Amino acid sequence: NAGVTQTPKFQVLKTGQSMTLQCAQDMNHNSMYWYRQDPGMGLRLIYYSASEGTTDKGEVPNGYNVSRLNKREFSLRLESAAPSQTSVYFCASSLAGQETQYFGPGTRLLVL
Amino acid sequence: GQSLEQPSEVTAVEGAIVQINCTYQTSGFYGLSWYQQHDGGAPTFLSYNALDGLEETGRFSSFLSRSDSYGYLLLQELQMKDSASYFCAVRENNDMRFGAGTRLTVKP
Repeated sequence: NAGVTQTPKFQVLKTGQSMTLQCAQDMNHNSMYWYRQDPGMGLRLIYYSASEGTTDKGEVPNGYNVSRLNKREFSLRLESAAPSQTSVYFCASSLAGQETQYFGPGTRLLVL
Repeated sequence: GQSLEQPSEVTAVEGAIVQINCTYQTSGFYGLSWYQQHDGGAPTFLSYNALDGLEETGRFSSFLSRSDSYGYLLLQELQMKDSASYFCAVRENNDMRFGAGTRLTVKP
């Protein structure tokens, strides 16, 4: 099992460009999450999906959209990137009712 | 809303014991989790407390006092590889909130 995978690992964007961060898990988990982590800070929840077909906003959803494509995949889209979105983005998944979240390796995004 | 407070840095020597505290304020509380993150790596789950008391997993233990809105992570027999950041986290429904993290440096 690969666990949680994310692509790409690194990305540089210009202000105003769009991109989609991909996340997939092979653990048959119901819930999936997108976080961002800025230097010296904890993770902040952007969006989550409790189950296939549902998505909900987290703490910092502005400037992002998500799609729960199927049970395995949960993508994060930046429609018009801004320098404030420079961050490390982590995807995570968990079984319904379980506290343990399994994180992907992260995507390091730089917006110039 | 939710907020979590934990020390920003802790330093200890190899073989020692260190305690990382976490206080929280939340409108709804299910439990307190702890995660470890090495530099450049992904967070990994360490422990979860839903009820008051101590949970032990090898060299790591975690404690919760719901009445005090307080918990701690206890690391025993410190090893160099324990140098990392440690985050406490609380869940309100499916909305997870993390503390800013405590950077633990283990010295020889």
